[in-house]
Amino acid sequence: EDQVTQSPEALRLQEGESSSLNCSYTVSGLRGLFWYRQDPGKGPEFLFTLYSAGEEKEKERLKATLTKKESFLHITAPKPEDSATYLCAVQITGANSKLTFGKGITLSVRP
Amino acid sequence: DGGITQSPKYLFRKEGQNVTLSCEQNLNHDAMYWYRQDPGQGLRLIYYSQIVNDFQKGDIAEGYSVSREKKESFPLTVTSAQKNPTAFYLCASSISAGNGYTFGSGTRLTVV
Repeated sequence: EDQVTQSPEALRLQEGESSSLNCSYTVSGLRGLFWYRQDPGKGPEFLFTLYSAGEEKEKERLKATLTKKESFLHITAPKPEDSATYLCAVQITGANSKLTFGKGITLSVRP
Repeated sequence: DGGITQSPKYLFRKEGQNVTLSCEQNLNHDAMYWYRQDPGQGLRLIYYSQIVNDFQKGDIAEGYSVSREKKESFPLTVTSAQKNPTAFYLCASSISAGNGYTFGSGTRLTVV
């Protein structure tokens, strides 16, 4: 069975304190790994897609990396506006397009 | 602007009632999805449709029904058979496999 585990469940950082969020996965065959940001009461917002081990993508203070077993979302010098829940999801190879999500990591950044 | 519209934003259901949540997209995406989100549970797939007039059950389809008569629309009905319907419901679409989803803003359903 495909599984996605995110850790830690919650993370509190001081503004400017860099850290990483982890997403480990067990799938039969990975087509893609997706990161989303979700603010309270709103729909998730797409951040990155990673397709193969060794791939990296960056956007402002965020950098996503992928290995054969896990992905990391690195946050450099976070600001309070980076506070949100970060969701990781996997899509397996084959004709099916559905995503399997982890439970998310709630990030709080204190000024 | 292209996007996904979910309505209503808030919905209240009485015991024994069926209610329908609306999801419309103007992105010309082929695939559409319904997820349920509960605190601490993450997003769980209810139903999905990869093409008009075809849909498949997800992981938690019991007590729900869908239709896909038009490419733009994928309504979800929460039936009286769903014993614990209070949750945040999210609709999404994607152009094809290998691409990320675009999500709507969600409908919060509460049983009263």
